[in-house]
Amino acid sequence: DADVTQTPRNRITKTGKRIMLECSQTKGHDRMYWYRQDPGLGLRLIYYSFDVKDINKGEISDGYSVSRQAQAKFSLSLESAIPNQTALYFCATSDEDRTGELFFGEGSRLTVL
Amino acid sequence: AQSVAQPEDQVNVAEGNPLTVKCTYSVSGNPYLFWYVQYPNRGLQFLLKYITGDNLVKGSYGFEAEFNKSQTSFHLKKPSALVSDSALYFCAVRFNQGGKLIFGQGTELSVKP
Repeated sequence: DADVTQTPRNRITKTGKRIMLECSQTKGHDRMYWYRQDPGLGLRLIYYSFDVKDINKGEISDGYSVSRQAQAKFSLSLESAIPNQTALYFCATSDEDRTGELFFGEGSRLTVL
Repeated sequence: AQSVAQPEDQVNVAEGNPLTVKCTYSVSGNPYLFWYVQYPNRGLQFLLKYITGDNLVKGSYGFEAEFNKSQTSFHLKKPSALVSDSALYFCAVRFNQGGKLIFGQGTELSVKP
């Protein structure tokens, strides 16, 4: 089983719909992140959480919200999806005290029509 | 502003030839530098990092990177490219321990037989 699991892997939805992307991890890391990948723009940070009671905005948080339900779970929501939110979304975890390395999920491809 | 740049969108190399994927950064202070690789339909995988010490860092799959403080660069290199090295490569920088990771826009490496 993957250390960082994202569901769904692919989703097509319509403008205005509410969408939730879920992430769970078995690495025991406190820190979790949501990134968005667009061609030519690299990865941009949406939200991050350093522990269960901590939520922080990244560089492109508008239109998104998150919930840290437990140490192992971090979900990303689009309350009212719009076409320019069509992208590949990645969840990642890290253990900052040791290596600073991020561990990524396989990604969730979202298409908003 | 703190930033990281990958000046080449695509790098083409013949199998067996050396490869270089370029990365430069803009920073105040000492950076923590990373390279990640993304294979098709997969999440990002950690390749190597520079935190401190020897400027030449060795990583996974035979890759290495050289930190050059005067040129603010952290280029990824491999002496002999393989077709299986074809992937999307991301440089990333963190400007302090525990800080957020900022990604470059990515470079598509294509290795032809």
